[in-house]
Amino acid sequence: AIQMTQSPSSLSASVGDRVTITCRASQGIRNDLGWYQQKPGKAPKLLIYAASSLQSGVPSRFSGSGSGTDFTLTISSLQPEDFATYYCLQDYNYPHTFGQGTKLEIK
Amino acid sequence: EVQLVQSGAEVKKPGESLKISCKGSGYSFTSYWIGWVRQMPGKGLEWMGIIYPGDSDTRYSPSFQGQVTISADKSISTAYLQWSSLKASDTAMYYCARHGDNFDYWGQGTLVTVSS
Repeated sequence: AIQMTQSPSSLSASVGDRVTITCRASQGIRNDLGWYQQKPGKAPKLLIYAASSLQSGVPSRFSGSGSGTDFTLTISSLQPEDFATYYCLQDYNYPHTFGQGTKLEIK
Repeated sequence: EVQLVQSGAEVKKPGESLKISCKGSGYSFTSYWIGWVRQMPGKGLEWMGIIYPGDSDTRYSPSFQGQVTISADKSISTAYLQWSSLKASDTAMYYCARHGDNFDYWGQGTLVTVSS
């Protein structure tokens, strides 16, 4: 199975900061990667699909990049509602696999 | 409007069987894969497996193969996740999700608690 290594596992930042989260795949996955946001007690929400495509309704401060093995999720200017846990998910082949998550906390 | 509505919370004893459901609406149920994701208390997301309701093609994560069964009834647009003998370690929130552009729509989750 492809392993997804996500970093950092936690991150403290302030409103207005620019934040970057990375995912590295153990083998090439083209651009078959999504990014999710999960808030406590809620289902995950898709932010980015196909590595860089913004899901409908998601604010443009979220962006994704990468291809092959290295991917990034960037939040250009953190808003209070962005403090949550973020996950990547590869859907290149089965089994699909999630990264271990990045908890974004308020500094 | 695309919706996935999951069955309610369950409290079971070790060794009991269980089947939870995920009903899709607002789209062609037979045209999209439906996956299941586990989240143990305080932990991350784990991909369990996925089914294509159109022909019941099913794929499992090796971590869950043989531990659960994924099925679907396309006549009622419902996917299922079942256990034949629950363990305390099956205590978790379980989500279903539609695989369109990645997992684009999610159910609200079903909390399964297994305790003697």
